[in-house]
Amino acid sequence: DQQVKQNSPSLSVQEGRISILNCDYTNSMFDYFLWYKKYPAEGPTFLISISSIKDKNEDGRFTVFLNKSAKHLSLHIVPSQPGDSAVYFCAASADNNNDMRFGAGTRLTVKP
Amino acid sequence: DTAVSQTPKYLVTQMGNDKSIKCEQNLGHDTMYWYKQDSKKFLKIMFSYNNKELIINETVPNRFSPKSPDKAHLNLHINSLELGDSAVYFCASSLRTGGEKLFFGSGTQLSVL
Repeated sequence: DQQVKQNSPSLSVQEGRISILNCDYTNSMFDYFLWYKKYPAEGPTFLISISSIKDKNEDGRFTVFLNKSAKHLSLHIVPSQPGDSAVYFCAASADNNNDMRFGAGTRLTVKP
Repeated sequence: DTAVSQTPKYLVTQMGNDKSIKCEQNLGHDTMYWYKQDSKKFLKIMFSYNNKELIINETVPNRFSPKSPDKAHLNLHINSLELGDSAVYFCASSLRTGGEKLFFGSGTQLSVL
């Protein structure tokens, strides 16, 4: 029962260009969405989040967009840097419970 | 000064053995979790504790038993290890329950031979 899906296992972009990572979810009760970044041999670290009352949240080079009607969110990184190369996990939860669901991750490679 | 620390980082053991993974957080968070990252790379919640009380217990074999001696610690004990238990196990914590970002440990790579 995979409620959060990241259909692209990998993405490769050139340094300086935009990276767009996508995520879809099925549970309409989700109201809080997050992106985590994971380097090898480390745990995921929080990157950016968005509440369902918003459709956009921006933090420096990172912007998350939420389309509730389509049950879709995306993470934009611009400009992309080689240090952004990592696995990015999309996650979602409902405020009334503790069960955060994760996608399978997208491996981003930013080439110099 | 690590916020969420788990030990050991690597654990190689034989089938049938019993092993434990320890987790500690120094963030003052109320809630702690165990997640399992399987071979398909999905992160799946196993357990959640809030102030030492079990909140979530997903469909996990009862060979897995979490123990929370205090709200800063959540250990995972696994009895009679099986090949399918091989995975990366992540401990995490959050300030409180519901709609909070998680802080993860660096993971424990468990290999059952």
